[in-house]
Amino acid sequence: QKEVEQNSGPLSVPEGAIASLNCTYSDRGSQSFFWYRQYSGKSPELIMSIYSNGDKEDGRFTAQLNKASQYVSLLIRDSQPSDSATYLCAVDNAGNMLTFGGGTRLMVKP
Amino acid sequence: GAGVSQTPSNKVTEKGKYVELRCDPISGHTALYWYRQSLGQGPEFLIYFQGTGAADDSGLPNDRFFAVRPEGSVSTLKIQRTERGDSAVYLCASSRGLAETQYFGPGTRLLVL
Repeated sequence: QKEVEQNSGPLSVPEGAIASLNCTYSDRGSQSFFWYRQYSGKSPELIMSIYSNGDKEDGRFTAQLNKASQYVSLLIRDSQPSDSATYLCAVDNAGNMLTFGGGTRLMVKP
Repeated sequence: GAGVSQTPSNKVTEKGKYVELRCDPISGHTALYWYRQSLGQGPEFLIYFQGTGAADDSGLPNDRFFAVRPEGSVSTLKIQRTERGDSAVYLCASSRGLAETQYFGPGTRLLVL
């Protein structure tokens, strides 16, 4: 069974710090990797996608992918209280459905 | 509309009843996906459509669940003989095509009493 694992948290960081969120996946054939943010009671919102090894930066967000280690991470620089949410790692194995991790709850304290 | 829409936003039903959940994808998106999210968990794949046909329904938990997309746009997820364990948020997503970014709707919160 294809699995995506995340630490459920909560991960608590002070405002202005770097938040580091991690995800591992089991299927070596996975091609595409996504980070979604989900506020309580809301639907998932895409914040980053990454397809090749290395880093991808978008504003305060950096996604990192290491296919050899089957590891994806998301760094949030200068964390803000508005970043407090659950972050879902998702993996696309065959160009169709996404397999999600359970999510990591991030709390940014003012 | 700019995004994926789902109706109803909330549905309360009694055990054994039949429910229909509707999804209206982003205009022009050919791929449509249904997921189910239980409290404290990530979304779980149910079924996806490419055009009118169900390309993969391997995530449907049993034969009480069925989905259609007759004209390649709006989709309906149908649940027969609902059970309390069906209570969850049912999320719909659409994308321009396969392997493209999926955009989620607001979800339907289903509560089976």
